[in-house]
Amino acid sequence: IAGITQAPTSQILAAGRRMTLRCTQDMRHNAMYWYRQDLGLGLRLIHYSNTAGTTGKGEVPDGYSVSRANTDDFPLTLASAVPSQTSVYFCASSPLAGGPDTQYFGPGTRLTVL
Amino acid sequence: GEDVEQSLFLSVREGDSSVINCTYTDSSSTYLYWYKQEPGAGLQLLTYIFSNMDMKQDQRLTVLLNKKDKHLSLRIADTQTGDSAIYFCAQPGAGNNRKLIWGLGTSLGVNP
Repeated sequence: IAGITQAPTSQILAAGRRMTLRCTQDMRHNAMYWYRQDLGLGLRLIHYSNTAGTTGKGEVPDGYSVSRANTDDFPLTLASAVPSQTSVYFCASSPLAGGPDTQYFGPGTRLTVL
Repeated sequence: GEDVEQSLFLSVREGDSSVINCTYTDSSSTYLYWYKQEPGAGLQLLTYIFSNMDMKQDQRLTVLLNKKDKHLSLRIADTQTGDSAIYFCAQPGAGNNRKLIWGLGTSLGVNP
């Protein structure tokens, strides 16, 4: 059982370049999320999707876009990377069924924008 | 607004108990969560407590909930070096999108 996979594991990117971070889950969860984690700022939600075909903005959506064409995949795109987007990015999913809605996290992508 | 607060650091000696505290704002939350992040990894659910409970125990972990004071704590008995990690408190956000509101995380250091 893979759970959630993210790719790449790490990336160094020149400012101004376009980059897509990949996220795939095999748990058939309804909801998926993208977070960035920065020292002293904790986890901040970038975008989320409650079900395939729908997306929503989180706390810090500017400079990022997402799509949810199917249940399993939730790519995050930086159209024109800037140094302030240097961060560790985590994808997560949750079933959005009844009861506690546990979020399952991927291993993260460490992105450096120069 | 919605907010979850935690102290940023805690240091304990191996074998001692650790107590990580959290305060939250939304008293209507049905569940409150503790997640653990080990170095270089993503977050994993450690435990959760339903809001109609005062306490939940799971092996070395004890969660205490004081709804009146909106205070949540996580006690780790017999703390080991493998417990060194960042611990996040979280509560559901308002609305029906089921987002979580996260604390900044408490970094637990365990000294041998």
